[in-house]
Amino acid sequence: GQNIDQPTEMTATEGAIVQINCTYQTSGFNGLFWYQQHAGEAPTFLSYNVLDGLEEKGRFSSFLSRSKGYSYLLLKELQMKDSASYLCAVMDSNYQLIWGAGTKLIIKP
Amino acid sequence: GAVVSQHPSWVICKSGTSVKIECRSLDFQATTMFWYRQFPKQSLMLMATSNEGSKATYEQGVEKDKFLINHASLTLSTLTVTSAHPEDSSFYICSARLGDYGYTFGSGTRLTVV
Repeated sequence: GQNIDQPTEMTATEGAIVQINCTYQTSGFNGLFWYQQHAGEAPTFLSYNVLDGLEEKGRFSSFLSRSKGYSYLLLKELQMKDSASYLCAVMDSNYQLIWGAGTKLIIKP
Repeated sequence: GAVVSQHPSWVICKSGTSVKIECRSLDFQATTMFWYRQFPKQSLMLMATSNEGSKATYEQGVEKDKFLINHASLTLSTLTVTSAHPEDSSFYICSARLGDYGYTFGSGTRLTVV
């Protein structure tokens, strides 16, 4: 079966750095997405990785290792507004998105 | 950028009634629309994929007669929850695919069935 694993919840301090991991087992791979979702709102796009390596975009970076079936989202200089759920999703060989359950990130002052 | 407008944002309905949720692509043509359901503290669950001008493809376990999907034009897809029950209360989100790897989401509809 297809499976996406990510931690259920993480806590970090304002101004710090946090890394959210995602491991996956899917039938084929056409890229991995990270989305941010605030409570009661739709997800918003953060990043897309299809090749191995690190993609940096401002305070957020995303890393992919296809051989290990592993990705992480790195958030720097955390702000209170970063409190949200972070969803990892993989596009399989049929170009369907397989979603992880999301990681709820709690930022403390 | 590409925007999907979803209405209503929230709706409360009585058990046994039907509710229609609309998703419109405002500045692009959405040939494919994905409909998701999300229960509290859970991830998005794909319900069905609709293609303009053809029947929707439903995921296993989703009742096609209960969740009616219509994608009659390139800019409008609708989901109708028929004979709603309290267990249908959920957050429903539509998503359109952009190009090879982009996705854009509607703002979601919070359905509460009482």
